[in-house]
Amino acid sequence: NAGVTQTPKFQVLKTGQSMTLQCAQDMNHEYMSWYRQDPGMGLRLIHYSVGAGITDQGEVPNGYNVSRSTTEDFPLRLLSAAPSQTSVYFCASSTPTGVNSPLHFGNGTRLTVT
Amino acid sequence: DAKTTQPNSMESNEEEPVHLPCNHSTISGTDYIHWYRQLPSQGPEYVIHGLTSNVNNRMASLAIAEDRKSSTLILHRATLRDAAVYYCILRDGGAYNFNKFYFGSGTKLNVKP
Repeated sequence: NAGVTQTPKFQVLKTGQSMTLQCAQDMNHEYMSWYRQDPGMGLRLIHYSVGAGITDQGEVPNGYNVSRSTTEDFPLRLLSAAPSQTSVYFCASSTPTGVNSPLHFGNGTRLTVT
Repeated sequence: DAKTTQPNSMESNEEEPVHLPCNHSTISGTDYIHWYRQLPSQGPEYVIHGLTSNVNNRMASLAIAEDRKSSTLILHRATLRDAAVYYCILRDGGAYNFNKFYFGSGTKLNVKP
């Protein structure tokens, strides 16, 4: 199994540009989420989804949009990139069976906004 | 949301046990204690979790204080591959919030050969 796959691995954007970070999982997990990690800090939850068609905000949702049209994919959209969005972005998934379901993470997308 | 407090960094010698502490004084009755670790340039990976009783698995052991206000992740014999940032997280076992994980800044473990 590939697990959680994130693309691209690296991306450089200019301020104001838009882009979509892709996340796909092949484990049939209903729960998926996006985190950002700034240098020397822990992960902060951006958005999450408990199934196709259902999304909700985490602690730092401003500047990001998500949608969930399939179980496998959960893209993260930056509509107008800002330097403050320079970070490493991680996607994660799990089964929605409660606290005994561990999160499975991808290896991240490193985004630089100039 | 309940938060956790961990030391910023710790150091260990290879092949010796490591005890990584975590304080969670505002833990609620439905919060589970989860541990993840993040190796350099990788996403976090699950290590272990528990509610009240001590837990063991192939990676580590989790010791939970009787009042649940603190816990300790135990690596029985540290190897160089255990050098990582270790996160202690509280996950709400209630019906609506169990999908919200909040990571702190974690403990960076350095293992010396």
